[in-house]
Amino acid sequence: GDSVTQMEGPVTLSEEAFLTINCTYTATGYPSLFWYVQYPGEGLQLLLKATKADDKGSNKGFEATYRKETTSFHLEKGSVQVSDSAVYFCGMGRPQGAQKLVFGQGTRLTINP
Amino acid sequence: SQTIHQWPATLVQPVGSPLSLECTVEGTSNPNLYWYRQAAGRGLQLLFYSIGIDQISSEVPQNLSASRPQDRQFILSSKKLLLSDSGFYLCAWSTPMNTEAFFGQGTRLTVV
Repeated sequence: GDSVTQMEGPVTLSEEAFLTINCTYTATGYPSLFWYVQYPGEGLQLLLKATKADDKGSNKGFEATYRKETTSFHLEKGSVQVSDSAVYFCGMGRPQGAQKLVFGQGTRLTINP
Repeated sequence: SQTIHQWPATLVQPVGSPLSLECTVEGTSNPNLYWYRQAAGRGLQLLFYSIGIDQISSEVPQNLSASRPQDRQFILSSKKLLLSDSGFYLCAWSTPMNTEAFFGQGTRLTVV
């Protein structure tokens, strides 16, 4: 069945470091892929998404490219800030039929000044 | 614009007591609705999803149940809470053709 596997955390980086959080998926067909961010004590907010192969989603300096050949959607940011500290979830969903959104386990990111 | 309301924000309940968490969506019709649970330090576990009134799918056998009495209302219930039911519960909605989900602020449930 559909599943998402993402890099286990926690991840700790210094401010201005380069960030990569790996995400791979297992699914038939062509799911949409997204990254959500969760700040402490809050719900999840959509960070970015991509709906077809080779699409690049981007927002707030974060980017992820939909790679069908490697079934991946890795999250990257060139220079992280302390305010980026949060839990990041990779997820996927389908636009047709009974839509079930599936998420990875989440990666806790801490950025030190 | 669409909004999602989830309440209460926090809840402390004794073992064996009942539970009712409510989620309502405004500004859209016929949304897909979801309940997720996030245990401490863990990821999101899909509990229930619904594509219409009285159409609810359960993902994980458990002590919980869900109901959708109205198009934009989704309720998570339990007759008798267990300690293992503690966690952060999140309601979400999406449109049938849009795979993006919108989340409520969550309910932190502590069973004591």
